[in-house]
Amino acid sequence: DVVMTQSPLSLPVTLGQPASISCRSSQSLVHSDGDTYLNWFHQRPGQSPRRLIYNVSKRDSGVPDRFSGSGSGTDFTLKISRVEAEDVGIYYCMQGTHWPPITFGQGTRLEIK
Amino acid sequence: QVQLVESGGGLVKPGGFLRLSCSASGFSFSDYYLSWIRQAPGKGLEWVSYISPSGGTTYYAESVKGRFTISRDNAKNSLFLQMNSLRAEDTAVYYCTRGGALSGSYYWGQGTLVTVSS
Repeated sequence: DVVMTQSPLSLPVTLGQPASISCRSSQSLVHSDGDTYLNWFHQRPGQSPRRLIYNVSKRDSGVPDRFSGSGSGTDFTLKISRVEAEDVGIYYCMQGTHWPPITFGQGTRLEIK
Repeated sequence: QVQLVESGGGLVKPGGFLRLSCSASGFSFSDYYLSWIRQAPGKGLEWVSYISPSGGTTYYAESVKGRFTISRDNAKNSLFLQMNSLRAEDTAVYYCTRGGALSGSYYWGQGTLVTVSS
């Protein structure tokens, strides 16, 4: 199975400052169809996860443009240009290229300093 | 709008069984793959199982293979997870999701809590 490793696991950020989360996979996530199925989710306390970014860099409907995804191969990054209070929670990366199984990173907890 | 509503969670003893249900609305149910994903208390997300639109193809995580069975009733827009031989480590919130492979799931239910404890 593909192992997804996120860093950092805890991310204290000042409001209005940028934030960045790294996600690395144990093997390349380039699919045989040429696409790369690396996705990002956000989970607020007590809520279900919400997908933010799919296929590395495509933002879901309603996701603010301060969120961006990038990367290729085995190294990926989620960036928040200016952190807002509603961004607190846990962020997970997930690979779908080598399913089954789909696999998630351990999660990165973002908190406001 | 798309809605997924899980039910059937609860407290069960080790070795026991439980059947989760997910009632779907707002989309053409029989056109979509569906998944169960779980989250142990204070832990991360773990994919559990996946079923094709017809129900003819299913996939399972190694941790539940042989104990859990996923199924669906397209006439009733319902997804199920039969969980047998439950263990303490199966304690989690179980989410029903639409889709789930490749690009992950955009639509998730609110989850149902399963607690396995004596």
